[in-house]
Amino acid sequence: NAGVTQTPKFRILKIGQSMTLQCAQDMNHNYMYWYRQDPGMGLKLIYYSVGAGITDKGEVPNGYNVSRSTTEDFPLRLELAAPSQTSVYFCASSYLGGSVGTSFLHNEQFFGPGTRLTVL
Amino acid sequence: GDSVTQMEGPVTLSEEAFLTINCTYTATGYPSLFWYVQYPGEGLQLLLKATKADDKGSNKGFEATYRKETTSFHLEKGSVQVSDSAVYFCALSEDDDKVIFGPGTSLSVIP
Repeated sequence: NAGVTQTPKFRILKIGQSMTLQCAQDMNHNYMYWYRQDPGMGLKLIYYSVGAGITDKGEVPNGYNVSRSTTEDFPLRLELAAPSQTSVYFCASSYLGGSVGTSFLHNEQFFGPGTRLTVL
Repeated sequence: GDSVTQMEGPVTLSEEAFLTINCTYTATGYPSLFWYVQYPGEGLQLLLKATKADDKGSNKGFEATYRKETTSFHLEKGSVQVSDSAVYFCALSEDDDKVIFGPGTSLSVIP
């Protein structure tokens, strides 16, 4: 399994440009997440999805959009890049669920390697 | 709302020293607790977890015990190595939809 993959690894944008950060997972996880990590800071949740066709806002959704048309893919769209969006972006996935007699996996998240984005 | 507080870094230790990174949390119910590690240039990896009070999570020589009475989940290792240099994040998940991360503690281990 490749796990969680992200592309590109690095990108420089000019103010006002748009781009899509790609994220894919091959573990058949139902939950997927986008975080941003600013220097010396923790992670802030941008958007998440509990399954194909369902997305929800996290803590810092402004300036971003997501879609989840398949279980595997969860792209993050920046429409009008701003310097405040300079950050490292991490995609993560997890499996939550179970049936009678089984246990949830308590949201053990698997992370991609990250995309370092600079907006100038 | 839920939150996680960690000791501020950076922490610098000599090889074979004892490590403690403090973590306390605020939650309305009974969350699952996690420690994640981030090596330079990489994403976060789950290091260990505990899902109920008095559980001890352990992995790679690291341990943490879920203390409900003190709302704590301190990370410990008896003898650190240079390869343990990384940023460590304490985290909790209460409703299972989302994970709340602490700000991270940077650890540097010098030979």
